[in-house]
Amino acid sequence: GDQVEQSPSALSLHEGTSSALRCNFTTTTRSVQWFRQNSRGSLINLFYLASGTKENGRLKSAFDSKELYSTLHIRDAQLEDSGTYFCAAEEGSWQLIFGSGTQLTVMP
Amino acid sequence: GPKVLQIPSHQIIDMGQMVTLNCDPVSNHLYFYWYKQILGQQMEFLVNFYNGKVMEKSKLFKDQFSVERPDGSYFTLKIQPTALEDSAVYFCASSFDRSNERLFFGHGTKLSVL
Repeated sequence: GDQVEQSPSALSLHEGTSSALRCNFTTTTRSVQWFRQNSRGSLINLFYLASGTKENGRLKSAFDSKELYSTLHIRDAQLEDSGTYFCAAEEGSWQLIFGSGTQLTVMP
Repeated sequence: GPKVLQIPSHQIIDMGQMVTLNCDPVSNHLYFYWYKQILGQQMEFLVNFYNGKVMEKSKLFKDQFSVERPDGSYFTLKIQPTALEDSAVYFCASSFDRSNERLFFGHGTKLSVL
């Protein structure tokens, strides 16, 4: 099975609402990163976490290395938050294993 | 599912030498990307490539860097000459389209410049 299970695969939100994305890991991972893919296909790095939580504006991420999961919370969703979000787990000494992505659509 | 293969997984070279990192993207994909991650830091975008041309590049994509995909073979990142600060893990990705289309990533090539 996949080493990084990301859910949901697709999510629709109305402006102003909040939700969370989640990644479960099947093996111990040293760190997790969250990305948003922009309309040109490039990835924007949102968070890098080795443990605990980080917050940036309306986004907040948490990583529980013991329970093997990470979450990305989006608060007060805006239209510009639409895009595909990926998590990636650090495997071994340098490799990144990516989740399958969550396609987020924020509607007026 | 579809896989992006990166060859080799680890490369060690002396500073000043040329290095080529190879990426075998998903077979029907049209857009190709390279990303760089220095150990312990965030992964950063380098370049994307479509129809034989660089479409977008970041300031990390120095003049010593070049990319190509001759005749549907490997998508390559060449660094000539290499510098110590080029030591990092380089990730290749590909997608069929670039508008909200899922990227498929390789597992990375670790480049060590001595």
